[in-house]
Amino acid sequence: QKEVEQDPGPLSVPEGAIVSLNCTYSNSAFQYFMWYRQYSRKGPELLMYTYSSGNKEDGRFTAQVDKSSKYISLFIRDSQPSDSATYLCAMKAAGNKLTFGGGTRVLVKP
Amino acid sequence: GAVVSQHPSWVICKSGTSVKIECRSLDFQATTMFWYRQFPKQSLMLMATSNEGSKATYEQGVEKDKFLINHASLTLSTLTVTSAHPEDSSFYICSAREGAMNTEAFFGQGTRLTVV
Repeated sequence: QKEVEQDPGPLSVPEGAIVSLNCTYSNSAFQYFMWYRQYSRKGPELLMYTYSSGNKEDGRFTAQVDKSSKYISLFIRDSQPSDSATYLCAMKAAGNKLTFGGGTRVLVKP
Repeated sequence: GAVVSQHPSWVICKSGTSVKIECRSLDFQATTMFWYRQFPKQSLMLMATSNEGSKATYEQGVEKDKFLINHASLTLSTLTVTSAHPEDSSFYICSAREGAMNTEAFFGQGTRLTVV
């Protein structure tokens, strides 16, 4: 079993819809939770960074962390075709390396 | 915002030759840099952690003599793939940690290596 599980998709939504992404994990030591966006043949770009449990909002993006369920989510409101990319969750324990999910490919159709 | 520049963005080389990939932090000092490998439609796999002025720490299963890492300054780390083989063809990505942050916020644009 992988430490971090993420549905590979693809997830196809119409423009303007809410994109809902999530990851589950098994390591209770994880404290830092990140979401990255990666366009094809490019490096990942940090979208959201959350420490411990709770919600965080930044523009159209909302990240949620539920440590009791070992479950994290990313919501993208008012999705645009330019949001079409692969979204990677990542997490780490203090002082340790990042562990990535496998990524979810998202396609926002005009 | 902070930028990590990776060069080259793509390279083709012959089997048996060596290839060097550079990773630079352009406007901040990166005490730690990380090197990842990514196969098509797969996630990033950490290869090694590079600390300025010391030897890199390699992940299990990564050959340190094949993937040479040098982190000679606070703004530059290099990965050299030695005696490359076709199975080394992959997408290599570096990232840099800025001192104040507890995560790797900044990734390079990646290098696509093709060994023929």
